[in-house]
Amino acid sequence: ETGVTQTPRHLVMGMTNKKSLKCEQHLGHNAMYWYKQSAKKPLELMFVYSLEERVENNSVPSRFSPECPNSSHLFLHLHTLQPEDSALYLCASSQGTVAGTLTDTQYFGPGTRLTVL
Amino acid sequence: AQSVTQLDSQVPVFEEAPVELRCNYSSSVSVYLFWYVQYPNQGLQLLLKYLSGSTLVKGINGFEAEFNKSQTSFHLRKPSVHISDTAEYFCAVSEIGRGSTLGRLYFGRGTQLTVWP
Repeated sequence: ETGVTQTPRHLVMGMTNKKSLKCEQHLGHNAMYWYKQSAKKPLELMFVYSLEERVENNSVPSRFSPECPNSSHLFLHLHTLQPEDSALYLCASSQGTVAGTLTDTQYFGPGTRLTVL
Repeated sequence: AQSVTQLDSQVPVFEEAPVELRCNYSSSVSVYLFWYVQYPNQGLQLLLKYLSGSTLVKGINGFEAEFNKSQTSFHLRKPSVHISDTAEYFCAVSEIGRGSTLGRLYFGRGTQLTVWP
């Protein structure tokens, strides 16, 4: 099993749909992240979870709702999205601790390519 | 705020030629520096990182980078590229001791390296 997996790999949804993105890490890490990668823009950090507790919410609209039921799984629930939300959504994990360490390498999943019609 | 500038959005080179991908950052505090590579339809993979010590850092696949504090740069180099090096490369920075944000990475916009036969 590869380190960080994401499902689905591709998702097309209408603006009124509700869907969820799933991320799973098999590395025994304690911290997990959601990033948004849009064309021509730097990666944007959306959310950070450490030991299942959300430690950062980077001014993300409420139509994105993260959930971390345990240290291995991370979800991103989507509802009433806009076309500008179309992007590649990347999940990452790192060893991380409650105190935090900036030397941790983040390991990324392959991403979910989201298209909002 | 921290910013990371990758000066070239696209770098085309011929196989076996040397390549340098440039990265500059703006920060008045000490930083950790990273280069990630993203192959088509995949997530980001760590190439190398600078935490402390020698300013010349060697990574995977024959890449190396040099940290220049006075010029706030962390350029990536490879003496002889292969077609398989075709990918997008991202420079990332985190500020040491800056707040309590866990694993906060600031990414550049990326440089697309295309290696031609």
